[in-house]
Amino acid sequence: SQQGEEDPQALSIQEGENATMNCSYKTSINNLQWYRQNSGRGLVHLILIRSNEREKHSGRLRVTLDTSKKSSSLLITASRAADTASYFCATDRGSTLGRLYFGRGTQLTVWP
Amino acid sequence: EPEVTQTPSHQVTQMGQEVILRCVPISNHLYFYWYRQILGQKVEFLVSFYNNEISEKSEIFDDQFSVERPDGSNFTLKIRSTKLEDSAMYFCASSVEQGAGGELFFGEGSRLTVL
Repeated sequence: SQQGEEDPQALSIQEGENATMNCSYKTSINNLQWYRQNSGRGLVHLILIRSNEREKHSGRLRVTLDTSKKSSSLLITASRAADTASYFCATDRGSTLGRLYFGRGTQLTVWP
Repeated sequence: EPEVTQTPSHQVTQMGQEVILRCVPISNHLYFYWYRQILGQKVEFLVSFYNNEISEKSEIFDDQFSVERPDGSNFTLKIRSTKLEDSAMYFCASSVEQGAGGELFFGEGSRLTVL
């Protein structure tokens, strides 16, 4: 089954605007993580939010988690051209063994 | 800043050949992983490794795949007889904790092309 489905698939905005990406999942989780991937590069961890947390901030990033709706959002405020990348959410499906299940990602393009 | 390093960055091989992808995880990390990403598709879990043994493996990780930590620093993924569908970017990752605490640190990946 699909786990960690981001929308939109692609998002194109101007510098300075906010970017919001959403993620839905189907099972219970211990935590949900967001990763970033520049084209052809490795994944970089952005933020982890635990199932008992509702909101978390890190710099220009704000992540929310609604376990009743099985959804999360990633907000990037005051976006920059350097934020252009693919953004993935990943869940553990309730496992404690470390395996992550990734979504297909949102391709964010920020135009200068 | 400590990082996960992977070699080679790109390998081209003929179908049926053996391939070894190498990774040096972050030195104080205890949990090690291989993931792969076929072009245009999701990042998929292959295997996790802890205390010199496999913790979990996915259905992708069949008998053609094996992992090893031969010398306490390297972590290798071997594909015994490559198939065309093994063409993908392979990512190594490591973490201090697993499960609920487990932020993964990924390497830059090894691109495998099977001809």
